[in-house]
Amino acid sequence: DVVMTQTPPSLSVAIGQSVSISCKSSQSLVASDKNTYLNWLLQSPGRSPKRLIYQVSKLDSGVPDRFSGSGSEKDFTLKISRVEAEDLGVYYCLQGTHLPLTFGSGTKLEIK
Amino acid sequence: QMQLQESGPGLVKPTQSLFLTCSVTGFSITSGYYWIWIRQSHGKHLEWMGYMTYSGETFYNPSLKSPISITRETSKNQFFLQLNSVTTEDTAMYYCAGDFSAWGQGVMVTVSS
Repeated sequence: DVVMTQTPPSLSVAIGQSVSISCKSSQSLVASDKNTYLNWLLQSPGRSPKRLIYQVSKLDSGVPDRFSGSGSEKDFTLKISRVEAEDLGVYYCLQGTHLPLTFGSGTKLEIK
Repeated sequence: QMQLQESGPGLVKPTQSLFLTCSVTGFSITSGYYWIWIRQSHGKHLEWMGYMTYSGETFYNPSLKSPISITRETSKNQFFLQLNSVTTEDTAMYYCAGDFSAWGQGVMVTVSS
């Protein structure tokens, strides 16, 4: 199975600051069709997860452009610019290239 | 807008089978997407259980200890999860999702005698 390693496990940030979350995979996530199926999800407190980004850097509909994704092969980053209170929760990376699909262990974002 | 809603028993006895339903509105499950089951134990760890493609092909996580089956009823636009011979380790929040772009609110299942 592909292991997704997320760091840091938690973050505490003030409103308006920027943060980055890292996700590293144990194998390249480039698929046979040349796409890279790396997603970022946010689980807000008491809610089901919501996808923010797919294929490394494509924003889902309605997701603010304060969120951005980057990376390639085995090394990926989620950046949140100008953090807002509504951004708190647990962020997960998810690889969709190799079966079984696997999630990172999560990064908990707290607001100072 | 695609919406999903899980339903099923909240309590199942060990060794019994668990059967969950995911009702989909706003999009036909035969038109596209992967139809996915995910579970989350202890409020943290997310685990992909399996999915069914829009054409009906299924893929399951071989790491699951309990046998699993995903089926569908196209006339009702529903898909289902069956987990057999459950143990206490199957206690979790169960989610269905469409292509990970839309998720249900989840259903909590406890396995206990």
